[in-house]
Order: sequence, then C-alpha cells, then structure tokens
Amino acid sequence: QVQVVQSGAEVKKPGASVKVSCRTSGYTFTGYYIHWVRQAPGQGLEWMGWISPHSGGTIYAQEFQGRVTMTRDTSITTAYMELSGLRSDDTAVYYCARDGCGGECFDHWGQGTLVTVSS
Amino acid sequence: SDVLTQSPSVSVAPGETARIPCGTNKIGSHSVQWYQQRPGQAPVLVIYYNAARPSGIPERFSGSLSGDTAILTITRVEAGDEADYYCQVWDRSGDHRWVFGGGTKLTVL
Repeated sequence: QVQVVQSGAEVKKPGASVKVSCRTSGYTFTGYYIHWVRQAPGQGLEWMGWISPHSGGTIYAQEFQGRVTMTRDTSITTAYMELSGLRSDDTAVYYCARDGCGGECFDHWGQGTLVTVSS
Repeated sequence: SDVLTQSPSVSVAPGETARIPCGTNKIGSHSVQWYQQRPGQAPVLVIYYNAARPSGIPERFSGSLSGDTAILTITRVEAGDEADYYCQVWDRSGDHRWVFGGGTKLTVL
C-alpha cells in the first residue's frame, strides 16, 4: 500500500533554513508528482509548490519564490523541501502529498512536520 | 487568479444532511476536490473530479456542482464527521498553482 512518511519536528531560529524529507513507498515514485502544503496554527491549507520525481522539474508558489527549494532522490524514493530565511510566520505544519489524479488531487498525504521558528 | 470561497462553519444534528458549499467564478472550468481534516491529523481526500469518491470513503459523502458553486454533501451525519473540510482546484491560468478554499468547520450538534 502507498505510504508517505515525513521527518520529525524541527525548531529553528529566525533566518535559518529547514529541510523536510518525505519518504514514499508502495508505488512507482517517478510516476507521480509530489506537492508541498503548509498549515499555520489555526489556519487553512496553503500550497507551496510541486516537484516531478521523474524529471526533477519544479513549480513554486509565487509567495515562496526565492526561499523554497524542492528536490528528490529517486534511489531512496524521497522528496525534500527546503525553506530558507525562516521567519516567525513560517511556523506551521508542513505536509507532502502525492498527486494521484494527473495534477488534480492529492490522494496520499504525509503525517506532517511541525516547524517552529523562534528565537 | 481564482479564489475559492467557503463558509466558516456549518452545524448539523446527527442523522441529518450537511451541505458544504465552495464558490468560485470559474467553477465550470475546474475539477473540484474535497478534503476532510480531523483535529491534529493530515487531510484526507474524500471527493475528486467533482464527484468521484476514493476507495474507502463512505457513500454518505458526495460532490456536485450547482452554477458557480461546488457542494460537498454528507448524508446521515455522524459524530466522527466533525472536521474541517477544504475544497481545492488546480488553476491552470498563468502560472500553474493549486488553490484551497479557506475551509469549513463542520460541527455535529
């Protein structure tokens, strides 16, 4: 069965960077895009960007352009999201999710990774 | 760019029917997805392609379109359905981006 498992919680200081991993199994990693979505405390879902595990191509939301980098390692079927220049309002749960509908939907989600930015 | 508008909250009694709307000015050109998010948990896909149901999602959950509004309908509501529900579309205009509505909190009275 499809499994998506993310790395553990992180605490970072303002200005630092964080790298979250998203390990997948149970399907052909290169056959499905991976999206990253975040959720600030008490807030809704915010789409951050997308990576093609096959080509490594990416699309980033304008709000994160210049600060986010999405990569993947096909040998270990894992995707990564790195966010730099952290601010207090980057405190959120970060999710990765598989695109299971040819671009339309996120059908399997990771459990989420809490990133806390605090001095 | 598209904006998805959701009511902040909906309340229904157990056994009743909940209807959760999601409005956008381009609903006809998009496929709408719906996600359920229980407190402290990751979102779960409950409806895709406007009305399709993933395996494992009860038939009580259904999706439909009415004019410029997508609607998630939950019949015979149970206490376990209490959650936040988000609609989502893929906006292909300009820079591709994926958009979520602000979410609707379903309260089971």
